[in-house]
Amino acid sequence: DAKTTQPPSMDCAEGRAANLPCNHSTISGNEYVYWYRQIHSQGPQYIIHGLKNNETNEMASLIITEDRKSSTLILPHATLRDTAVYYCIVSPLNRDDKIIFGKGTRLHILP
Amino acid sequence: EPEVTQTPSHQVTQMGQEVILRCVPISNHLYFYWYRQILGQKVEFLVSFYNNEISEKSEIFDDQFSVERPDGSNFTLKIRSTKLEDSAMYFCASSDDTLETAQHFGDGTRLSIL
Repeated sequence: DAKTTQPPSMDCAEGRAANLPCNHSTISGNEYVYWYRQIHSQGPQYIIHGLKNNETNEMASLIITEDRKSSTLILPHATLRDTAVYYCIVSPLNRDDKIIFGKGTRLHILP
Repeated sequence: EPEVTQTPSHQVTQMGQEVILRCVPISNHLYFYWYRQILGQKVEFLVSFYNNEISEKSEIFDDQFSVERPDGSNFTLKIRSTKLEDSAMYFCASSDDTLETAQHFGDGTRLSIL
């Protein structure tokens, strides 16, 4: 079973920042936080990952609390194309480790 | 940007028939995976493959399933005798050999069993 808890759905206005929370209170010291998303009819897409420091790339920012028990994915300027299911996953950094997907958060970007 | 490609995009097959789903992973990747997603449900892990052998498989991946890397570019999933409950989206993924890596997914094959 997935080791994370996410709200089932969220809305965000186009152009605003979308902040997606994730709880992972049982995360182990060697586990990373990964975020993927799945746009309708497409395969999952990697977004970002981190261990304990905040991370930023061209798609998003990841904020991890100091105790590592929760994190927030931030899409700084949401567009309609960001409408998708967002998955928060904790996983050790093993190259061949499977991804265990939960139900994720269905993010609706509103025009 | 390199991507994982899957063919066909949609496969319709009679129950009991064999089906082969094909994937071309990203060229320098060494780890390969199959996942499936039944309509309206979660994405589920099937199998991982490295160095020409299965690394891990789930309970779903029974004797009816097999994987193969027949040449240097393709990675296939075979279902020997399909059942109605095999109807799903099947996703192939690959990852490279760097320490901090992520899995890259194809857009899937929709398998419909009649």
